[in-house]
Amino acid sequence: VTLLEQNPRWRLVPRGQAVNLRCILKNSQYPWMSWYQQDLQKQLQWLFTLRSPGDKEVKSLPGADYLATRVTDTELRLQVANMSQGRTLYCTCSVTLGGLDTGQLYFGEGSKLTVL
Amino acid sequence: GEQVEQRPPHLSVREGDSAVIICTYTDPNSYYFFWYKQEPGAGLQLLMKVFSSTEINEGQGFTVLLNKKDKQLSLNLTAAHPGDSAVYFCAVTSSSSFSKLVFGQGTSLSVVP
Repeated sequence: VTLLEQNPRWRLVPRGQAVNLRCILKNSQYPWMSWYQQDLQKQLQWLFTLRSPGDKEVKSLPGADYLATRVTDTELRLQVANMSQGRTLYCTCSVTLGGLDTGQLYFGEGSKLTVL
Repeated sequence: GEQVEQRPPHLSVREGDSAVIICTYTDPNSYYFFWYKQEPGAGLQLLMKVFSSTEINEGQGFTVLLNKKDKQLSLNLTAAHPGDSAVYFCAVTSSSSFSKLVFGQGTSLSVVP
């Protein structure tokens, strides 16, 4: 049973265009949902953790700008913009199982973004 | 902030041999320690979570050792088989931010029949 559904799983992004990613928590409710990015060298980096519907955060990293939104108790979104040309990036959603202090994360299968 | 160094980046072993991956972290306040496995096209799969200096054998073909004195975490796959071929990541979190995992660089393990 998949706890997190991410879509799209893969997207070709025209240069200069932003892309919106969704992460849906299936058949359960956990408050803490997060986004991580993973580059082609497999390095994983935490981006955001959002708890409540309406929460938003922005972040700029080398190669992309990010806007994360907790839309509902079960949906987390990520807008990725200004990606560097020719870049490939994976964005992975996670949810903290149980209370925040368990530290135990379940990860989705990720979304692959490639800039044309 | 926390830094995690993972070695080696690539590892190739023959079926039946052992494979050892080691991570060194810097933050003495690190609280939970994890090993994840990532197969091609798949998400991160949790292998084990530890929080105290102990040696644990889960009976699934691997042993995890946490040495807080030396700030070192290791994964030992005993009698590796081709199905163990994947990228393995260690990860560390602190008590100040449980949802923020700091990952090692990953080890690409190849088990050759």
